[in-house]
Amino acid sequence: EPEVTQTPSHQVTQMGQEVILRCVPISNHLYFYWYRQILGQKVEFLVSFYNNEISEKSEIFDDQFSVERPDGSNFTLKIRSTKLEDSAMYFCASSEGVNQPQHFGDGTRLSIL
Amino acid sequence: AQRVTQPEKLLSVFKGAPVELKCNYSYSGSPELFWYVQYSRQRLQLLLRHISRESIKGFTADLNKGETSFHLKKPFAQEEDSAMYYCALSSVSASKIIFGSGTRLSIRP
Repeated sequence: EPEVTQTPSHQVTQMGQEVILRCVPISNHLYFYWYRQILGQKVEFLVSFYNNEISEKSEIFDDQFSVERPDGSNFTLKIRSTKLEDSAMYFCASSEGVNQPQHFGDGTRLSIL
Repeated sequence: AQRVTQPEKLLSVFKGAPVELKCNYSYSGSPELFWYVQYSRQRLQLLLRHISRESIKGFTADLNKGETSFHLKKPFAQEEDSAMYYCALSSVSASKIIFGSGTRLSIRP
């Protein structure tokens, strides 16, 4: 069964540095998403992406965040200048359509020192 | 405000006992409700959604609009049901999913 894949599984970065989290969505899916889960808290929506543009974003997704689909397979989340509070598990998801089930990756654990 | 509430952080039941994981939601409109499950060392995966009205792995969930609830039930728990369960909602028109805080279900042998 096709899966969403995320790399790396764990990323350790110094505060203030830029970080890029990578995702390969399922190949025939058209909608892509990023969520995050701070330790001990809920899974929170960050952003959704369709047709090469952001379709929806949350308050968390401020100017420090950006998403990109640089080629036909990858979907990336960039944090420009990381803060300690960015430490979390980041999940990528994809779906065939807006009302279709979202399939999640294993997540990337981001640790900001 | 859109919100999903799962009042129990941990639920522990004996194998063979009935299970009910509670979920209440707050939403102005007609949401779509889901249950996601995360087994140990595995990814988050969709268990069921209210519009399909299916029973998956013996679990069912009925949407009660009057009580704004979507409780997950199973008549006889099995050890392999031990996992983290998340109730979630989305709107028909929006793409984001709003998750509850999750309930860890532990099945005792």
